[in-house]
Amino acid sequence: QSVLTQSPSVSGAPGQRVTISCTGSSSNIGAGYDVKWYQQLPGTAPKLLIYGNTNRPSGVADRFSGSKSGTSASLAISGLQGEDEADYYCQSYDSGLNAWVFGGGTKLTVL
Amino acid sequence: QVQLQESGPGLVKPSQTLSLTCTVSGGSISSGSYYWSWIRQPAGKGLEWIGRIYPSGSTNYGPSLKSRVTISGDTSKNQFSLELSSVTAADTAVYYCARCLQMPSGTYAFDIWGQGTMVTVSS
Repeated sequence: QSVLTQSPSVSGAPGQRVTISCTGSSSNIGAGYDVKWYQQLPGTAPKLLIYGNTNRPSGVADRFSGSKSGTSASLAISGLQGEDEADYYCQSYDSGLNAWVFGGGTKLTVL
Repeated sequence: QVQLQESGPGLVKPSQTLSLTCTVSGGSISSGSYYWSWIRQPAGKGLEWIGRIYPSGSTNYGPSLKSRVTISGDTSKNQFSLELSSVTAADTAVYYCARCLQMPSGTYAFDIWGQGTMVTVSS
């Protein structure tokens, strides 16, 4: 059971917009700790997509955007492409555990 | 270009100690700008942060493995290592080493990852 909760799967057609949610609690996201998002393509290591809730590292397409409200965060992917098919993980810090924590991951299927 | 490469046995017997090394190239593990972490992922499952080592050599560990984990660094070889004792089949996973960088926003994020190494615990 992950500290951060994500829906197991989401899907969308090419060109559509999808959102992936990440729900935490008052000891992590709700405490003001920022959220990161990672993309993991099949058989590869995760790649940083979003940090500081909303910021994209250099080289990440602006089709990816992040937001945060209360104890939850979301990753939005617009203009869906086949290459976006991957697992997506949120990550934050939990003060109760004194540890970095991940969500369980959401598998994105491009129809 | 900083690169990380995990190495170590792919098969460990139950009750023994899992030992992995992460070799860092293109950057120094003693730089004050980074932390260095180990993260693991059982097959078909999510990511679990194991722990981190600071440039000073001090460490933090995740709560679930804290009693069995040791992370250490060797600045002369620009490597950091993971030891996980008393392993069971539940420790079978892909193990990643990763660099944790302080981003422009002030927060830290795992910006560079090794390719991962599969470790199976079996007799």
